[in-house]
Amino acid sequence: KAGVTQTPRYLIKTRGQQVTLSCSPISGHRSVSWYQQTPGQGLQFLFEYFSETQRNKGNFPGRFSGRQFSNSRSEMNVSTLELGDSALYLCASSPLPTGSEELFFGEGSRLTVL
Amino acid sequence: ELKVEQNPLFLSMQEGKNYTIYCNYSTTSDRLYWYRQDPGKSLESLFVLLSNGAVKQEGRLMASLDTKARLSTLHITAAVHDLSATYFCAVDIYQGGKLIFGQGTELSVKP
Repeated sequence: KAGVTQTPRYLIKTRGQQVTLSCSPISGHRSVSWYQQTPGQGLQFLFEYFSETQRNKGNFPGRFSGRQFSNSRSEMNVSTLELGDSALYLCASSPLPTGSEELFFGEGSRLTVL
Repeated sequence: ELKVEQNPLFLSMQEGKNYTIYCNYSTTSDRLYWYRQDPGKSLESLFVLLSNGAVKQEGRLMASLDTKARLSTLHITAAVHDLSATYFCAVDIYQGGKLIFGQGTELSVKP
């Protein structure tokens, strides 16, 4: 059974650009959530999607957005990149958003903003 | 606002020794997760604790949850070098998908 797949794995952007990250959940999983990991702030929740609907959103500016497609794949977008957006972005999937399900994380997309 | 605090944040152990990592959280929750992260890698799920008094063990690691004390512990028995990693606890109070993580405990096991 394939795990959570995130693309691209590594990318370098410059300030002001925008970036789109993709996440393919484990087959059959309908919930996808995104996290940002930085040395200073640790792991922070960005948003969670279930059945194409955003269920929860973290405390991030509007430059951070996401969506989920009918096949449960998800994308997140960051516009007008800032240096502080450099981070490891992790996607996690679970079968259902019940809170009793284990979350499975992908390998992450490491974004560097210059 | 929910806060999740781990201690210690850094732990240097000798092989063969026992130690405990503590995870305190500030809001009622009966869903707590433990993850392991190796440098440059993603998060590996270790334990999911879903009720008060839950105890789970896997190899040299044992996790427990006391929801009344808002405390979870990760106990390491007879540490080996392969356990060197960063360990995170995370609490879910929104019924799915939104985990609040602790700061992480960086564990180094030395021969």
